[in-house]
Amino acid sequence: DAGVIQSPRHEVTEMGQEVTLRCKPISGHNSLFWYRQTMMRGLELLIYFNNNVPIDDSGMPEDRFSAKMPNASFSTLKIQPSEPRDSAVYFCASEKRGGNTIYFGEGSWLTVV
Amino acid sequence: AQRVTQPEKLLSVFKGAPVELKCNYSYSGSPELFWYVQYSRQRLQLLLRHISRESIKGFTADLNKGETSFHLKKPFAQEEDSAMYYCALRGAGANNLFFGTGTRLTVIP
Repeated sequence: DAGVIQSPRHEVTEMGQEVTLRCKPISGHNSLFWYRQTMMRGLELLIYFNNNVPIDDSGMPEDRFSAKMPNASFSTLKIQPSEPRDSAVYFCASEKRGGNTIYFGEGSWLTVV
Repeated sequence: AQRVTQPEKLLSVFKGAPVELKCNYSYSGSPELFWYVQYSRQRLQLLLRHISRESIKGFTADLNKGETSFHLKKPFAQEEDSAMYYCALRGAGANNLFFGTGTRLTVIP
């Protein structure tokens, strides 16, 4: 298996632009997580899905952030409008039902200027 | 509320020296504890979990419920151990992992 696949790997965008990050979980995994990593705050859970349904989105910073999972093999994290303080590495991760290991993607490095 | 504390943001040791990365947690029930490692610009990888009681790459971690700690130890550090290490907690019946802020380990040759 190729593991959790994220795109884009790197993105530089101007403040105010819309950013869409994409994730393909490992096939057969039914839980999907979005984390944000910054120097100051480390890894923070933004939202997670079970069976494509959002379970906990309390970590989503504000209304500018939204996440969807239209099917078991695809999820998006959207920021609209983006701001410089959104600059971070965004990780997607997945886990299979009954499993005890969360597998991470390589991350999307976002820079908002 | 759950909380994971890694008191050291940065830790430097010489090659061959013992290393201990500290992790303390706060949780009212019986959590699962994990250590994840992130090498430079790579994805996070599971290093070990307390329920397995295993040694990976020479690292071990023992869950001390009395002290609510899960410190990561290695008797002889190697240069390739230089990385970011995250301690993580999963509550009973919970799906998500709650991470500490991480410790960057540098092994000096």
